[in-house]
Amino acid sequence: QEQLQESGPGLVEPSETLTLTCSVSGGSIINYYWSWIRQPPGKGLEWIGYIYYNGNTNYNPSLKSRVTISIDTSKTRFSLKLNSVTAADTATYYCAKTEMAFDVWGPGTLVTVSS
Amino acid sequence: QSVLTQPPSVSGAPGQRVTISCTGTNSNLGAGFRVHWYKQIPGTAPKLLIYDDTHRPSGVPDRFSGSKSGTSASLAITGLQAEDEADYYCQSYDSGLSEVFGGGTKLSVL
Repeated sequence: QEQLQESGPGLVEPSETLTLTCSVSGGSIINYYWSWIRQPPGKGLEWIGYIYYNGNTNYNPSLKSRVTISIDTSKTRFSLKLNSVTAADTATYYCAKTEMAFDVWGPGTLVTVSS
Repeated sequence: QSVLTQPPSVSGAPGQRVTISCTGTNSNLGAGFRVHWYKQIPGTAPKLLIYDDTHRPSGVPDRFSGSKSGTSASLAITGLQAEDEADYYCQSYDSGLSEVFGGGTKLSVL
């Protein structure tokens, strides 16, 4: 089964761009959707968006103006960019393989937005 | 305010049966979109428990079952065990919002 691992800065300054990468190992990135999901401290889950291996994307309408998800199939990884961040974007960010549902999750990475 | 509504908490004694409800609308569950359930132990990533309303991924005990009817869905857990104590989330697709989650339900094993 695939393993996913998020990586990126744990601290981002307000108004800057949050950038995370999800590395996929143990399986193919081809023919699947790959998602980003976040969870503010003590709160519930929020879907950010997903990308198909061919580059097609779909984003949460509430975040669409600030989000870009990209994929590098040769390196079996995909990335999230969220610009103009505020304290409200402080959360644990998860990447997930999306087949039947959000089938396989990475362990998550906490990103804090603060100066 | 989540698009899918779950009770904030449920509880049960070991060995009992508990259910967690997930109520949607005609733009998600009522439109025929399937519901999925996840279990999250605090401090860890969610884990898929039920997909496509009723199906269990490999490795999930048959103590867990899902059902759906109209704009509502339920997760049932029988033979409650201490290790079942966790947060549970339902998730589906909404025709106006794409993928949506319920607010989560904290299950306490008494």
